[in-house]
Amino acid sequence: GQQVMQIPQYQHVQEGEDFTTYCNSSTTLSNIQWYKQRPGGHPVFLIQLVKSGEVKKQKRLTFQFGEAKKNSSLHITATQTTDVGTYFCQGGSEKLVFGKGTKLTVNP
Amino acid sequence: NAGVMQNPRHLVRRRGQEARLRCSPMKGHSHVYWYRQLPEEGLKFMVYLQKENIIDESGMPKERFSAEFPKEGPSILRIQQVVRGDSAAYFCASSPPGRSYNEQFFGPGTRLTVL
Repeated sequence: GQQVMQIPQYQHVQEGEDFTTYCNSSTTLSNIQWYKQRPGGHPVFLIQLVKSGEVKKQKRLTFQFGEAKKNSSLHITATQTTDVGTYFCQGGSEKLVFGKGTKLTVNP
Repeated sequence: NAGVMQNPRHLVRRRGQEARLRCSPMKGHSHVYWYRQLPEEGLKFMVYLQKENIIDESGMPKERFSAEFPKEGPSILRIQQVVRGDSAAYFCASSPPGRSYNEQFFGPGTRLTVL
């Protein structure tokens, strides 16, 4: 069945450093969604990517969808303590499947 | 426009009791999804429902668990004869009609503790 792998599982950075999480699907995706979950909170929708090679930006966050629509990345420039949380990707094809998430901690 | 609402936010049950978790989707949303999340783990899909229909229950245990989304009222996730392993956060998400495989909006979750 469809699988979505997300790496790394954990990432610890110093404030101001960059951060990237990667999402890889075993099948071609129709779209991909990214969510952020703060500690003790619930997942919050960040963005959706639909087109092959698509790149979207939200302030310090850059989202990319691979040309083959099987992988995606989320890059945060100059992390801040407010970026802490777990970032999940969710691949859509026959079903919606979540990756296991990347937990980001930021040292001030 | 209120977001997805879940209640109760916290639920404590003893082994063998029943747990009922409620989810009211966002206004105008007709798709509801239930997920389970263990501490420090990802979101495990359980069931996908539309009004009065179960679309996909492939992630839900065959025994003790059931879900419904009636024509009127909230979606209910019901766990019978709870065991300690059922302790987890249960999240409900909703999406608009005609967009079943798109972004989902999550409720605050119900934290279930089984003693």
